[in-house]
Amino acid sequence: DTGVSQNPRHKITKRGQNVTFRCDPISEHNRLYWYRQTLGQGPEFLTYFQNEAQLEKSRLLSDRFSAERPKGSFSTLEIQRTEQGDSAMYLCASSINVGGTEAFFGQGTRLTVV
Amino acid sequence: DAKTTQPPSMDCAEGRAANLPCNHSTISGNEYVYWYRQIHSQGPQYIIHGLKNNETNEMASLIITEDRKSSTLILPHATLRDTAVYYCIVRVDHAGGNQFYFGTGTSLTVIP
Repeated sequence: DTGVSQNPRHKITKRGQNVTFRCDPISEHNRLYWYRQTLGQGPEFLTYFQNEAQLEKSRLLSDRFSAERPKGSFSTLEIQRTEQGDSAMYLCASSINVGGTEAFFGQGTRLTVV
Repeated sequence: DAKTTQPPSMDCAEGRAANLPCNHSTISGNEYVYWYRQIHSQGPQYIIHGLKNNETNEMASLIITEDRKSSTLILPHATLRDTAVYYCIVRVDHAGGNQFYFGTGTSLTVIP
C-alpha cells in the first residue's frame, strides 16, 4: 500500500484516559501534518514535521497533546487526560519537500471520548 | 486563517458539469490554489492545484482568473460519486511551514 496509513481507525476511550494514534506517511515523503476535524467543520491544522523536526504547532495543540516523529518516518499523536471536547477525527497527511506539491491524507482516526 | 470564500452548498444534475467557485482576493504571488474533496467519513482527497495557468487532469479542470483573485473547479460530467464537500485552499508557504488551511468548503450534491 503506497498511501498514508493511520491506526487505529476508531478509538473509544473514557474521559481522563490517554490515547495514542499512529501515522505512517508515504515512504519518500519528508513532510508530515496532523489535522483535527470536528463534525461539520473543515480540517484544522495541529502540527507539522519536516523529517524529525516539529516546525510548527497550532494554538489548538494544548499541553495535553504531543506529537513525535522520532526517526523522520512514522509519527505518533498522544492526547493525555482526554476530554469530551477531544472527540473528533484526527487526520494525518504527508508530502515531499518541494514547493507547490500536494499533500496526501490518510483515512483518519475517529476518537470518541465518553 | 482560511483565506478563501466558497458557497456553502450547491446542487448539480448528474451528467452535467459542476462549476464550483472560490474567491481568494488576498492571494499573494507565490501562493498556489489547491482543491480537495472529502466524502463522508473519509480523509480529504487531492483533486488539482495551480498557480497562474489553468490546469486539467483526469478528475477536473481548474480555471484561475488572470488577477488570481478567484478560481473555478470544473467537474466536467458529474456523477453521484462526486457528491462530497469540496475545499478550495490557498497554500500558505512561509519559513518553517507550509500548512493547508481548510475553510468549511462547498457541499456538492449531485442529483440523479
